[in-house]
Amino acid sequence: RKEVEQDPGPFNVPEGATVAFNCTYSNSASQSFFWYRQDCRKEPKLLMSVYSSGNEDGRFTAQLNRASQYISLLIRDSKLSDSATYLCVVNAMNTGFQKLVFGTGTRLLVSP
Amino acid sequence: DTAVSQTPKYLVTQMGNDKSIKCEQNLGHDTMYWYKQDSKKFLKIMFSYNNKELIINETVPNRFSPKSPDKAHLNLHINSLELGDSAVYFCASTGGLSSYNEQFFGPGTRLTVL
Repeated sequence: RKEVEQDPGPFNVPEGATVAFNCTYSNSASQSFFWYRQDCRKEPKLLMSVYSSGNEDGRFTAQLNRASQYISLLIRDSKLSDSATYLCVVNAMNTGFQKLVFGTGTRLLVSP
Repeated sequence: DTAVSQTPKYLVTQMGNDKSIKCEQNLGHDTMYWYKQDSKKFLKIMFSYNNKELIINETVPNRFSPKSPDKAHLNLHINSLELGDSAVYFCASTGGLSSYNEQFFGPGTRLTVL
């Protein structure tokens, strides 16, 4: 079983749609969680961290369910510029250092 | 004002050669990383250094040897290159000791082994 599992997609949605991505992780001792975004042929960039209480940043909402080992990302009012691969990321170290484990990513295509 | 830079951006070489990739960050971070992203886009950590000391060494072949001359630089040397080494290699850095710190990635080095 992969440490971090995501549906690879692609998710094809029209502009203005709401889309949700899910991710599961296998290491119950994982301490911190993230969504990174990677554009084609570019480096990954942090989209948002995911906290136990859930958090929102503009059109983006992330939620964490530790009991089910499940992370989600909701994007509202999709824009063309949201087209990218969204990487679910889990920190597998419980010290101050990070060992990030990446999912294979979910590809989102937003069309006009 | 580039935060994390890597050279070269592209590297095409023959099997059996030895090559190096350089990484520098000007963010004042203490921790640097090397990742490999294969043809299926799977991104996996290889090494991590904190203040020039190795703290993470995943199951990477001995042909890969990281070197950190100072905390702003982490270079990757690869001996006896194989076809399977073809991938994009990303350097990253992070500061502080919070498990929620953001990692900043370089633009990547696309290595092709012929």
